[in-house]
Amino acid sequence: GEDVEQSLFLSVREGDSSVINCTYTDSSSTYLYWYKQEPGAGLQLLTYIFSNMDMKQDQRLTVLLNKKDKHLSLRIADTQTGDSAIYFCALGYNKLIFGAGTRLAVHP
Amino acid sequence: NAGVTQTPKFRVLKTGQSMTLLCAQDMNHEYMYWYRQDPGMGLRLIHYSVGEGTTAKGEVPDGYNVSRLKKQNFLLGLESAAPSQTSVYFCASSPLRGWVEDNEQFFGPGTRLTVL
Repeated sequence: GEDVEQSLFLSVREGDSSVINCTYTDSSSTYLYWYKQEPGAGLQLLTYIFSNMDMKQDQRLTVLLNKKDKHLSLRIADTQTGDSAIYFCALGYNKLIFGAGTRLAVHP
Repeated sequence: NAGVTQTPKFRVLKTGQSMTLLCAQDMNHEYMYWYRQDPGMGLRLIHYSVGEGTTAKGEVPDGYNVSRLKKQNFLLGLESAAPSQTSVYFCASSPLRGWVEDNEQFFGPGTRLTVL
């Protein structure tokens, strides 16, 4: 089955860029997503990318997709304390396969 | 709109007890899902439903049953709770109309269940 892997923890300084990485095994997924989970809350869709795209930019967020290496990344520019959360990559259409999540800690 | 709501927010059960988790959505979504979230493992799909009266198994369905008698409600049942079912349970819904913008899954706030 599909396997989605993420590093579990990332710490950055406020104002720096954050890069959260995700690797996957199944290349047939049409859509790849990034979800954000704030403490005590459910997941919220941040952004997504179609499998036929290499890059998508949405304000401070940049998603890069390397299909050859099966690697997805999320870059957050000018990271703020409000960005502290767990970030999940997910693949699929209706039945999503989630990675374990990367906890982003932003410190002054 | 309330979005996706889950009842209860917290629950402690003893091994062997039964309970039902309720998920409700007011967005007229066709698809509904139940996930469990365990530390270091992300979310895993338990069961899902593609419409009123339908249910299907996800990745980890054993020990759980579901029902979708009304479009807006999706119930998750544990007939005989086990400590391995200690987890945070999330419900989600999506319209699934074909465009990915319409495929966003909207999540409830979660139910934290502890089985002793």
